[in-house]
Amino acid sequence: DGGITQSPKYLFRKEGQNVTLSCEQNLNHDAMYWYRQDPGQGLRLIYYSQIVNDFQKGDIAEGYSVSREKKESFPLTVTSAQKNPTAFYLCASKPRPSGRGTDTQYFGPGTRLTVL
Amino acid sequence: QQQVKQSPQSLIVQKGGISIINCAYENTAFDYFPWYQQFPGKGPALLIAIRPDVSEKKEGRFTISFNKSAKQFSLHIMDSQPGDSATYFCAASKGGYQKVTFGTGTKLQVIP
Repeated sequence: DGGITQSPKYLFRKEGQNVTLSCEQNLNHDAMYWYRQDPGQGLRLIYYSQIVNDFQKGDIAEGYSVSREKKESFPLTVTSAQKNPTAFYLCASKPRPSGRGTDTQYFGPGTRLTVL
Repeated sequence: QQQVKQSPQSLIVQKGGISIINCAYENTAFDYFPWYQQFPGKGPALLIAIRPDVSEKKEGRFTISFNKSAKQFSLHIMDSQPGDSATYFCAASKGGYQKVTFGTGTKLQVIP
């Protein structure tokens, strides 16, 4: 059963703690992305990775870190430096461009992080 | 240059009516325009997408209209159903692995 899995679905964290969100895909997609979703603000890009061992900052990377040691996995760490981490976090992946038109990103089910 | 503006923020439509959501973009380098549907607590899912070489694309009750000169595109949902109640995002990208720019979303409610 192919797809993108994110875990956990709900996560609670105390202020000052780092927390890592998991994202795994078995679609054999090259690129992976992390978005943050807040009410009324749409999806904002945190980090993305096009290949293993390489990643780039998105629009709101401050307070976050990522790694891409395996093609299938792209974990996101929310550090204590992130001032307002409570949000819905979405992981996405995209296949290698085929040149035939589709540039679709496929999303996981999301992780809702709440800082207490 | 990278912004995609989406309107309205929320929309209430009666069952059987037409839902229309509009988006405008600035960057003429964008060449792929998808629409995503998101139900509460779920990740967005691709609904329909269009490239700028066509002015309209229809899939079932969902139609994208694209106006390249005006840099605008819209989603039309015909015969809207309560099951269509969700948040809809327009998006734009330049292809390849380039990041996707999303609109701010439209929360659609279809009332019986």
